[in-house]
Amino acid sequence: DQQVKQNSPSLSVQEGRISILNCDYTNSMFDYFLWYKKYPAEGPTFLISISSIKDKNEDGRFTVFLNKSAKHLSLHIVPSQPGDSAVYFCAAFNYGGSQGNLIFGKGTKLSVKP
Amino acid sequence: DAGITQSPRHKVTETGTPVTLRCHQTENHRYMYWYRQDPGHGLRLIHYSYGVKDTDKGEVSDGYSVSRSKTEDFLLTLESATSSQTSVYFCAISNRDRGSYTFGSGTRLTVV
Repeated sequence: DQQVKQNSPSLSVQEGRISILNCDYTNSMFDYFLWYKKYPAEGPTFLISISSIKDKNEDGRFTVFLNKSAKHLSLHIVPSQPGDSAVYFCAAFNYGGSQGNLIFGKGTKLSVKP
Repeated sequence: DAGITQSPRHKVTETGTPVTLRCHQTENHRYMYWYRQDPGHGLRLIHYSYGVKDTDKGEVSDGYSVSRSKTEDFLLTLESATSSQTSVYFCAISNRDRGSYTFGSGTRLTVV
């Protein structure tokens, strides 16, 4: 049973436009959400996170929005750049849960075209 | 990330042979994890450790064992490799600071 879902395997966006990556979760006990970015032949790297007590967190071109009632979060990248082309993983964390393990979605491959 | 290294980076092995992957950290983090990444499945947790000699199973632990005799090293062993274990394996470390893991560069394992 998948607790973190990324229903779009891929997304293609024009350079300069907004990229919106979506993520849904089923476990209401999650209290922290993270986005990781992964380039080919490299390990995932942490991008941005949000606590469940917030509804928005912004870091430069990256903003994460959390809608707890809908159990939905999204990552906005504005403006999108070719270097943003990568696989993006949504992850969720229950700090008080089983050793606090991260649960990952299956990932969305973002392609930003020049 | 210089604080975590995986070895080997690539390995080809035959079905039925034992294989050990190594993860080494210099950050003195308590928590260490082994994930595998497969197309269509994302990152799935195999085993994790919350201290020296303290380990537990993850989502896809069948066919794998782990050991942690020192804080800095976490070993993943495939006792008898199968073709279904062909994958990219990632080690991660964490101090449980809001779930921010640091990942290694991965080991690409091919079982033929």
